[in-house]
Amino acid sequence: GEDVEQSLFLSVREGDSSVINCTYTDSSSTYLYWYKQEPGAGLQLLTYIFSNMDMKQDQRLTVLLNKKDKHLSLRIADTQTGDSAIYFCAETLYGNNRLAFGKGNQVVVIP
Amino acid sequence: EPEVTQTPSHQVTQMGQEVILRCVPISNHLYFYWYRQILGQKVEFLVSFYNNEISEKSEIFDDQFSVERPDGSNFTLKIRSTKLEDSAMYFCASSVGTLSSYTFGSGTRLTVV
Repeated sequence: GEDVEQSLFLSVREGDSSVINCTYTDSSSTYLYWYKQEPGAGLQLLTYIFSNMDMKQDQRLTVLLNKKDKHLSLRIADTQTGDSAIYFCAETLYGNNRLAFGKGNQVVVIP
Repeated sequence: EPEVTQTPSHQVTQMGQEVILRCVPISNHLYFYWYRQILGQKVEFLVSFYNNEISEKSEIFDDQFSVERPDGSNFTLKIRSTKLEDSAMYFCASSVGTLSSYTFGSGTRLTVV
């Protein structure tokens, strides 16, 4: 079954890069996602990567996928105060319509 | 930008009472979902709904839970007899069809006392 693990807290200075990591256990993942949750708001899809890709870049966001180690990371370049939020990785499995989420990683950006 | 709207944002209920959580999905979306997050734990899938029936449900979604699309715009989650452990943030989501187009609502925080 799916199990997605994340570390819990990251503090970063404005302008620096932040890297958030996630590991997953099920090798039949099809898509892997990063969601952002700001206080009082819903889960906002930031980006996703198909499981046969190694990397995806979207403006300040870079997703790296190491399928051998089942490791997913999100790098945010030039972190801004508006990036302060909880970031969740999630996966879907082949033949399955549900998202399996990690516990989330809180990112605090210090001005 | 279209939004998924959930009401209420916070609900307090007594143990054993029935609650109905309401959601208005995006109008051209065909798939609807409920997820929940118990404080400090992972966001967990509850149920997906398509073409007026449940398409998939998790082991959490037992006989105490039901979903309905009563009028073509609302999508509701009913918990018949709430327990303390039902206290959580409940998220509704909808999608056109592909998982990359999920849109989540802001959530309803349910507190059972």
